Amino acid sequence: QKEVEQNSGPLSVPEGAIASLNCTYSDRVSQSFFWYRQYSGKSPELIMSIYSNGDKEDGRFTAQLNKASQYVSLLIRDSQPSDSATYLCAVNRGSARQLTFGSGTQLTVLP
Amino acid sequence: DVKVTQSSRYLVKRTGEKVFLECVQDMDHENMFWYRQDPGLGLRLIYFSYDVKMKEKGDIPEGYSVSREKKERFSLILESASTNQTSMYLCASSRIPVREQYFGPGTRLTVT
Repeated sequence: QKEVEQNSGPLSVPEGAIASLNCTYSDRVSQSFFWYRQYSGKSPELIMSIYSNGDKEDGRFTAQLNKASQYVSLLIRDSQPSDSATYLCAVNRGSARQLTFGSGTQLTVLP
Repeated sequence: DVKVTQSSRYLVKRTGEKVFLECVQDMDHENMFWYRQDPGLGLRLIYFSYDVKMKEKGDIPEGYSVSREKKERFSLILESASTNQTSMYLCASSRIPVREQYFGPGTRLTVT
């Protein structure tokens, strides 16, 4: 079992819809969770971080964390074509010196 | 704002050449990382460093070495470049304990 798993996609949603991206992790002691956006040919850009159970909202983005079920999700409301990118989930165990990244979900928002 | 810079955006080298990729961060971060990213394989950690002159192997260190002589600078060295090292190389930095990790713009290396 991979430490961090994401559906590779591609996931397609129409413009204006809600895009839902999911990530599961295997280590119960994981403490910090991050979502990165990566446009084609560019480097990953941090868009959300979440550390405690529940929802965290930032503009059109909402990160949701459920430690009991070991999943973290990213919702993008009112999706725009400019949201088309690969979204990477990353997880950190408190004692680890590095993040563990999922393989990413490719999102396409159709105009 | 955190800024991580890499010495080149695009680089073309010949097989057998020694290649230096340099990364500089301006946020006094303790941790620095080198990844490579290939289609279908995701981000793979090559090496990381948590302090000056300290280094740890990542998942794919073979064929690479690193140097960290100053806190803000982390270099990746390909001792003898091979075609299978053609890839996007990404540098990143973070504080200790690890929270957010910030990436540089990447270097697309082609070895011919």
